[in-house]
Amino acid sequence: EMQLVEFGGGVVQPGRSLRLSCAASGIVFDDYAMHWVRQAPGKGLEWVAGISWNSRGAGYADSVKGRFTVSRDNAKNSLFLQMNTLRPEDTALYFCAKDMSQHYDTGGYGFDLWGQGTMVIVSS
Amino acid sequence: VLTQSPATLALSPGQRASLSCRASQTVNTYLAWYQQKPGQAPRLLIYDASHRATGIPARFSGSGSGTDFTLTISSLEPDDFAVYYCQQRSKWSPDTFGQGTKLEIK
Repeated sequence: EMQLVEFGGGVVQPGRSLRLSCAASGIVFDDYAMHWVRQAPGKGLEWVAGISWNSRGAGYADSVKGRFTVSRDNAKNSLFLQMNTLRPEDTALYFCAKDMSQHYDTGGYGFDLWGQGTMVIVSS
Repeated sequence: VLTQSPATLALSPGQRASLSCRASQTVNTYLAWYQQKPGQAPRLLIYDASHRATGIPARFSGSGSGTDFTLTISSLEPDDFAVYYCQQRSKWSPDTFGQGTKLEIK
């Protein structure tokens, strides 16, 4: 069964850091780009970051650029999101999602497999 | 920027639904549609504006190019009432999602 499972969420104070992980199974992980998408409580979807299959390309939303870093370990079928200098507005459910393409910025296609998300709450 | 309309659409099972997504600048056909139900992750319905994803019923169809796109559900089933999002996947700008259209039972 194809599956993505996120973990690492929790409650953190503003200005602190948190690292999210996403474990993939049932897919050829290193064939595809991967992404993080978040959803604040009661709000819509926001793309956060994406990374190409070979880690040679990555991109970020303006709202997290310079604070968040996406990475992957293909040997461990894992995706990561290092979140630094967290703000209250980063509070959201964070989903990891698989791209249909190898490159995060190919143009076209879509995200055809999603995890159930891990919740991050930034509060003092 | 992607603008979806209407924000809420109230229809009955068996009716036809048309959901709109408009981009502030051309995205060619680099547009996807997702369905999200409460407490669940989004599900890919349509990619590249008009291609149905694997396992998606034929009653879902997508059309459009450039800046104007439509998701059509030909005959609504009870399971189709959910929130729908469009997503632009242009090569030249970061991915963005529309704000969503809530499809509710009338």
